[in-house]
Amino acid sequence: DSGVTQTPKHLITATGQRVTLRCSPRSGDLSVYWYQQSLDQGLQFLIQYYNGEERAKGNILERFSAQQFPDLHSELNLSSLELGDSALYFCASSVGPSLLGYNEQFFGPGTRLTVL
Amino acid sequence: ELKVEQNPLFLSMQEGKNYTIYCNYSTTSDRLYWYRQDPGKSLESLFVLLSNGAVKQEGRLMASLDTKARLSTLHITAAVHDLSATYFCAVDMRENYGGSQGNLIFGKGTKLSVKP
Repeated sequence: DSGVTQTPKHLITATGQRVTLRCSPRSGDLSVYWYQQSLDQGLQFLIQYYNGEERAKGNILERFSAQQFPDLHSELNLSSLELGDSALYFCASSVGPSLLGYNEQFFGPGTRLTVL
Repeated sequence: ELKVEQNPLFLSMQEGKNYTIYCNYSTTSDRLYWYRQDPGKSLESLFVLLSNGAVKQEGRLMASLDTKARLSTLHITAAVHDLSATYFCAVDMRENYGGSQGNLIFGKGTKLSVKP
């Protein structure tokens, strides 16, 4: 158990809908990262937040957005869902790269999203 | 663009045999991470390699880093069935370290299957 929690574990929805995925980082971690894992694209970095502020963006679609709240939990919002958005979405957390000198990330159990 | 390439992508081994997984990356970095993922599960941090020549060992797995060759290896000694999983290497965005980024770029993963 990494200490990172994600809800829900599974989500089944229809095309065009909007969903929200939630992540709570490990106690003491300030950085939260979102990744998408699919068979064809592999593990893709989406977005990073550090202490409430967006710090880096990866291959995140405009239909997707995220935020990190004052209590450091984060939410990933996916809208106008398409079949191709079906994937495993992971949240990871770390203390923050500048604090330790490296950036070991700890992953949550993931949310499996199925878009029908 | 930073690229991380692993090979092989699929590896079928017999129990008791030795093998090496290779991870090449395309930019300067002295931070390399290895993760393990069991089917349908989260990613588990295995090793953090932080300098040229770094070597870490845990049980039957040994990881090393050659920053000059931009190469990391994960060596498996006397494989057992419990090692069957997908192994990912990931590289830190070194040039952005300490700045706004800290995200990891992952390879496609090596799916290891150990057969009796």
